[in-house]
Amino acid sequence: QVQLVQSGAEVKKPGASVKLSCKPSGYTFTAYYVHWVRQAPGQGLEWVGAINPSTGGTTQAPKFQGRVTVTRDTSTSTVYMELSSLRYDDTAVYYCARDKDTVTAFYFDHWGQGSLVTVSS
Amino acid sequence: EIVLTQSPATLSLSPGERATLSCRASQTVYSYLAWYQQKPGQAPRLLIYDAVNRATGIPARFSGSGSGTDFTLTISSLEPEDFAVYYCQHRGNWLGTFGPGTKVDIK
Repeated sequence: QVQLVQSGAEVKKPGASVKLSCKPSGYTFTAYYVHWVRQAPGQGLEWVGAINPSTGGTTQAPKFQGRVTVTRDTSTSTVYMELSSLRYDDTAVYYCARDKDTVTAFYFDHWGQGSLVTVSS
Repeated sequence: EIVLTQSPATLSLSPGERATLSCRASQTVYSYLAWYQQKPGQAPRLLIYDAVNRATGIPARFSGSGSGTDFTLTISSLEPEDFAVYYCQHRGNWLGTFGPGTKVDIK
């Protein structure tokens, strides 16, 4: 069955960077986009960005451009998201999610368990 | 940039009642709209995509309708497990955008 397993919780200081990992299994890694979605405490969902694991091509929400880098390692079938210049309002649970279709629907049908990032001095 | 608004913010209903949730887009999104359910401490679950199509394994009591700028998620008869937060989401221009959510709670 399809699973996405994410790395653990992180605590970072303002201005630092954090790099999260997401390891999908149960399907062909290169066949589906992987997206990142975050959720601040008590708040709604916010799409961050996505990667095409086949080509490495990426897209990000305008507010994160310049601060977020999504990469993949095809040898380990792992996707990474690095967020730099962390601010207090980056405190959130970060989810990775698989795209629904191989032709890239930008709908998310399988999700990781989430990685809590806390930004605190 | 397309903005999604959802109404009401909170919907208080009893099990067995019909729930009608609304999502409105600031400009046309054609039929490129999805609905998700999220329960506390869990990841979201895809319910509906392309406005009207149920995702795999989603019960028939969930239905979606609409196109253009106005969309509706209907839960025909609420089950105890349906009390949750529901988000609409638009796909377009290689971006994903979520609405602020509607909480369906027990009256």
